[in-house]
Amino acid sequence: GAVVSQHPSWVICKSGTSVKIECRSLDFQATTMFWYRQFPKQSLMLMATSNEGSKATYEQGVEKDKFLINHASLTLSTLTVTSAHPEDSSFYICSARLVDNEQFFGPGTRLTVL
Amino acid sequence: AQSVTQLDSQVPVFEEAPVELRCNYSSSVSVYLFWYVQYPNQGLQLLLKYLSGSTLVKGINGFEAEFNKSQTSFHLRKPSVHISDTAEYFCAVSGGGGSYIPTFGRGTSLIVHP
Repeated sequence: GAVVSQHPSWVICKSGTSVKIECRSLDFQATTMFWYRQFPKQSLMLMATSNEGSKATYEQGVEKDKFLINHASLTLSTLTVTSAHPEDSSFYICSARLVDNEQFFGPGTRLTVL
Repeated sequence: AQSVTQLDSQVPVFEEAPVELRCNYSSSVSVYLFWYVQYPNQGLQLLLKYLSGSTLVKGINGFEAEFNKSQTSFHLRKPSVHISDTAEYFCAVSGGGGSYIPTFGRGTSLIVHP
């Protein structure tokens, strides 16, 4: 099956610093990847759709200058949380779309901002 | 627009008992339906999906779900649960309105007691 990896799996940073999270499709090419945010005991909230070679499409209410998305290749999308603050602490999950409208999810990245 | 309702936020059950996790959706067009499982601090793993064809879908780990178009439901069932099935379960729908981006339910926490 299709495998999606994320790196790092867990990151702790100081307030005001920037953090980059990588999402890779390991055995397939993904023209479209998605970034989700999940708060404890809640569902996934779609943040943005990442399209290879073009600008990401952000959902309403998501600050694109705060959450920078780059999809430079067919196997890699990155999410950079700029000037992170404690309220940005969350579980970030990426996914990559294959055929049949199925998405394959990465294992997630736990971000803790102190 | 499409939406998903998972009626139960938490379902406690004893080991080896049967379980049903309920999911209802709303969409004006044909949809694709999914059930995902999430273990603590991990990403989402696909349990099963309905795209077309037989309304009874069998998935991994002994789970199955039945698509009922008239009741707009896609309930997940397992005849005998194990302690290891304790996890968060998400129902998702995509394809409504031509969008392949899934909409997730709020999740149901399955708690299996010994």
